[in-house]
Amino acid sequence: QIQLVQSGAEVKNPGASVKVSCKASGYSFTNHGISWVRQAPGQGLEWMGWISAFNGNTNRAQKFQDRVTMTTDTSTSTAYMELRKLTSDDTAVYYCARGHGYVWGDYRYVSDYWGPGTLVTVSA
Amino acid sequence: EIVMTQSPGTLSVSPGERATLSCRASQSISSNLAWYQQKPGQAPRLLIYGASTRATGIPARFSGSGSGTDFTLTISSLQSEDFAIYYCQQYNSWLLTFGGGTKVEIK
Repeated sequence: QIQLVQSGAEVKNPGASVKVSCKASGYSFTNHGISWVRQAPGQGLEWMGWISAFNGNTNRAQKFQDRVTMTTDTSTSTAYMELRKLTSDDTAVYYCARGHGYVWGDYRYVSDYWGPGTLVTVSA
Repeated sequence: EIVMTQSPGTLSVSPGERATLSCRASQSISSNLAWYQQKPGQAPRLLIYGASTRATGIPARFSGSGSGTDFTLTISSLQSEDFAIYYCQQYNSWLLTFGGGTKVEIK
């Protein structure tokens, strides 16, 4: 079965960086993309970016252009999202989600399988 | 950036009744719209993509319609497990955006 397993909760100081991992199983990793979505406490969903596991191409929301790096390790079927210069506003649950269609298809940005989320708390 | 606006913010419905949720895009997105359901403490779940195609395993009581800028998610007869928050998301532009969500609560 298709699964996305994310790394554990993190507590970070303001100004630090966090790197969240998302290990995929049950499908051909390089045939799909991975989206990253976050959700602040009590708030809605916010799309951060997407990475093709086929060739590493990325799209990032303008808000995160300078602070987020998304990568993949095809040898371990793992995607990573690093967010730098953290502030209290970055306190949120961070989700990874698989693209529904193949990376070259019409539905590559539709998220059909989601990880359970990783809580990142930024506090001094 | 395409702005997605959902209405109403909260919808109070009795079990067995019909629920109609709206999503409007700030510019045309063709049929490049998905709907997700989220329950407290859980990750979102894909319901609909391509504006009207149900995802695998989604019951037929969920239906999506619309194209261009105006979209609707209809739940024909609300079951207890359907009380949740629903989000629309456009993927017409590679800068994806979500709507603010509609909470469907028990009346």
